Amino acid sequence: EVQLVETGGGLVQPGRSLKLSCVASGFTFSSYWMYWIRQAPGKGLEWVSSINTDGGSTYYPDSVKGRFTISRDNAENTVYLQMNSLRSEDTATYYCAKGGGLGCWGQGVMVTVSS
Amino acid sequence: DIQMTQSPSSMSVSLGDTVTITCRASQDVGIYVNWFQQKPGKSPRRMIYRATNLADGVPSRFSGSRSGSDYSLTISSLESEDVADYHCLQYDEYPYTFGAGTKLELK
Repeated sequence: EVQLVETGGGLVQPGRSLKLSCVASGFTFSSYWMYWIRQAPGKGLEWVSSINTDGGSTYYPDSVKGRFTISRDNAENTVYLQMNSLRSEDTATYYCAKGGGLGCWGQGVMVTVSS
Repeated sequence: DIQMTQSPSSMSVSLGDTVTITCRASQDVGIYVNWFQQKPGKSPRRMIYRATNLADGVPSRFSGSRSGSDYSLTISSLESEDVADYHCLQYDEYPYTFGAGTKLELK
């Protein structure tokens, strides 16, 4: 069974940093692109970042480019999201997802940016 | 950026109804449109991939179709478990973009 488990969320002050982790199991992690998507409270879904299978290519929307960094450790079956210079508008539930069609999602982790 | 204009934003439905939700893409996205179902407090679940393909384990009352730049999700004979939010996604090019969502509510 495919499982994705996100951790690392919490309350953080504006301007500070936070690193999310997503541990995968039940599939050959190194063969799949991985993604982060977020959902602000009561709002729609927003794609946040993508990473290819070996970590050599990454993609971001303008809203987080230069502040967020996606990375992966294929030996540990884990994808990360390093979030720097956090803003109140980054407050959301963050999901990791597997594969180009976002076929499987984790349960999500809440990030709250507030003073 | 490609805009996915999703309609309606909400819909009042009855059990047994046939429901259609539509997303219009602002540019050609080919077949690269997925549909997701999301229940309160839960993560999204992929229902349809590449515009018309039923994802694993999804009931056959769900279907996806495409007409030009319009992509539709249809639920035939709506059941209570189908009452949820639905989101479309284009993943033809970056930035990936979602529709604003459709909330189904029981009358």
